[in-house]
Amino acid sequence: GESVGLHLPTLSVQEGDNSIINCAYSNSASDYFIWYKQESGKGPQFIIDIRSNMDKRQGQRVTVLLNKTVKHLSLQIAATQPGDSAVYFCAEINQGGKLIFGQGTELSVKP
Amino acid sequence: EAQVTQNPRYLITVTGKKLTVTCSQNMNHEYMSWYRQDPGLGLRQIYYSMNVEVTDKGDVPEGYKVSRKEKRNFPLILESPSPNQTSLYFCASSMGENTGELFFGEGSRLTVL
Repeated sequence: GESVGLHLPTLSVQEGDNSIINCAYSNSASDYFIWYKQESGKGPQFIIDIRSNMDKRQGQRVTVLLNKTVKHLSLQIAATQPGDSAVYFCAEINQGGKLIFGQGTELSVKP
Repeated sequence: EAQVTQNPRYLITVTGKKLTVTCSQNMNHEYMSWYRQDPGLGLRQIYYSMNVEVTDKGDVPEGYKVSRKEKRNFPLILESPSPNQTSLYFCASSMGENTGELFFGEGSRLTVL
């Protein structure tokens, strides 16, 4: 079956450094991907999305890169701050319109 | 303020005692959904609703019921809770099914003894 998952369950970075969180997907027909952030004790929060007709999309301090050849996407956070500490999920909308979440990477920011 | 509100936020109950977790959104969203979040299993969809009086099963619907009598409300009902339903539950809403931008509630942590 189709799946979307993250490479690493945890990631620790120094405050001010850039963070890169990776995600792989299995279905080459997938065409819509989303990143969510979940802070401790809260619900997931939409960060940014990207469709397969794009390779890159930028938001405020975040960039999502999509490599369809190797079925990989990444979330880059520039100048990581303590407030960025959270669990990050990649997700995809499959061909049936269903949102499928990956397992999540916990990002810890060291002061 | 646009929000999805769930109640209760925390609940400890006993096996077999019916309970309802309420969910309300103030964004006039058509699509609403319930998820449960468990360690190692991520977010799994329980039920969803594309509009009033339209509900469908998600990936893990067993032991749950839902209703959508009004656009803003989407309660989750556990008729006879069991310990394997101990979990963190999230309600979410969006403009439509094919959008990835879901708005989530703060979560309801349920413990069934």
